[in-house]
Amino acid sequence: GQNIDQPTEMTATEGAIVQINCTYQTSGFNGLFWYQQHAGEAPTFLSYNVLDGLEEKGRFSSFLSRSKGYSYLLLKELQMKDSASYLCAVNVYNQGGKLIFGQGTELSVKP
Amino acid sequence: KAGVTQTPRYLIKTRGQQVTLSCSPISGHRSVSWYQQTPGQGLQFLFEYFSETQRNKGNFPGRFSGRQFSNSRSEMNVSTLELGDSALYLCASSLEAEGTEAFFGQGTRLTVV
Repeated sequence: GQNIDQPTEMTATEGAIVQINCTYQTSGFNGLFWYQQHAGEAPTFLSYNVLDGLEEKGRFSSFLSRSKGYSYLLLKELQMKDSASYLCAVNVYNQGGKLIFGQGTELSVKP
Repeated sequence: KAGVTQTPRYLIKTRGQQVTLSCSPISGHRSVSWYQQTPGQGLQFLFEYFSETQRNKGNFPGRFSGRQFSNSRSEMNVSTLELGDSALYLCASSLEAEGTEAFFGQGTRLTVV
C-alpha cells in the first residue's frame, strides 16, 4: 500500500523557524513534492526532491532521505503570510504524473 | 504565460444531475491530472490524461469520467451526482507525465444539494 503521514496542525511564532515532517511508505518512489495552499486557493509548488539531501530556496528548504522514507520542509523567518496548509505529495515510478498527497499540515503563524 | 484555467469556478447542482468541468492546461503541457479535495479526505487523485490517453485512474466509481482533447484541454464528468460529491475539484498540468512539477488551477467548487 501507499501511506503518507504529516502532522495535522502546527503553530509557530512570527520570525521563528518551523519544520514540517512527512513520512511515506510507497513502492516505486520517484520523488517528493511540497505544496503550499492558502485557504480557498490552489496549491502552489514549493519544492521537488528526488535525491537525498537538502534543497534550499530562499526562506524555504526541503530535505529528503529515501532510505528512511522521510522528508521535511523547513520555513525560516516566518511571516504571517506563511499561515497556510502545507501538502506533502509523492510521485510513484511508472504511474505518470499521479501524485499521492498527505492530509496536509495546517500551519498557523502567530505574532 | 497563462496558468491553468478551470471553469466554472463555482457550481451548484442537484442530486441525480450530471456535471462537466473543464480544464485548460498551461500551453505546451501534455499531462493533465484531476483531483478531488474534501476536508475529510484531503486531495485524492481521480485520473490523469497524457496525449489524449488516460494513463492512470484513482479509486473512484465509474460515475467519474474524463477525457482530453488534441489541444490538451481536459474535461471531467460526474454523472448521477451524490451529496458526497460536493468538493473542490482541482486540475493540475505538467510538461511531462512523470516526475515534473505540477501546476494547479484555482479549482471548481461543486456543491450538490
